[in-house]
Amino acid sequence: ETGVTQSPTHLIKTRGQQVTLRCSSQSGHNTVSWYQQALGQGPQFIFQYYREEENGRGNFPPRFSGLQFPNYSSELNVNALELDDSALYLCASSLVGLGTEAFFGQGTRLTVV
Amino acid sequence: AQSVAQPEDQVNVAEGNPLTVKCTYSVSGNPYLFWYVQYPNRGLQFLLKYITGDNLVKGSYGFEAEFNKSQTSFHLKKPSALVSDSALYFCAVRDGSSGNTGKLIFGQGTTLQVKP
Repeated sequence: ETGVTQSPTHLIKTRGQQVTLRCSSQSGHNTVSWYQQALGQGPQFIFQYYREEENGRGNFPPRFSGLQFPNYSSELNVNALELDDSALYLCASSLVGLGTEAFFGQGTRLTVV
Repeated sequence: AQSVAQPEDQVNVAEGNPLTVKCTYSVSGNPYLFWYVQYPNRGLQFLLKYITGDNLVKGSYGFEAEFNKSQTSFHLKKPSALVSDSALYFCAVRDGSSGNTGKLIFGQGTTLQVKP
């Protein structure tokens, strides 16, 4: 196990609702990233947080937002849910740096109906 | 544009035989390359990485990967496959010219099926 934990593991929401996903980083890691993995696809980078500030963002609309807390835990918030938001959401923690490996949680499976 | 390609959706090998899972990449700067494995209903597990130095890198569970700069490839290999190696494998790259963002660019994934 990686030491990265996500909650909840599964979630069902209705289109138009808002959702908050949570992640607890591995001890000692100061960077957290979020990825969306649609069925049959590779993970897509949503954004990264370092020292509680966003320092990189992928091609996702502003209704995807996040927070990182002083204890390096993190939240992913998605507003105005759409059917296409149904996916596995992965949190990854690491030390800052291009050559550092990211350690992933088990993911949250979000289904939007 | 930055990209990763895994040309095979599925690779089938017999237990005990060598396996190769292919990966090619395209980045602007120096590549930082990674392999991850995903078991059903699980997150991604780190296998190995190439940062610099020796082109052959060794990782977890007997896996290794060969970096080839001229062919922009980073193929995953194992000398003797196990049935328990059956899983979904992802190649990923970070672009050294993209600043300090931790953005990983993933391929589409390759399903490895090892048959007894």
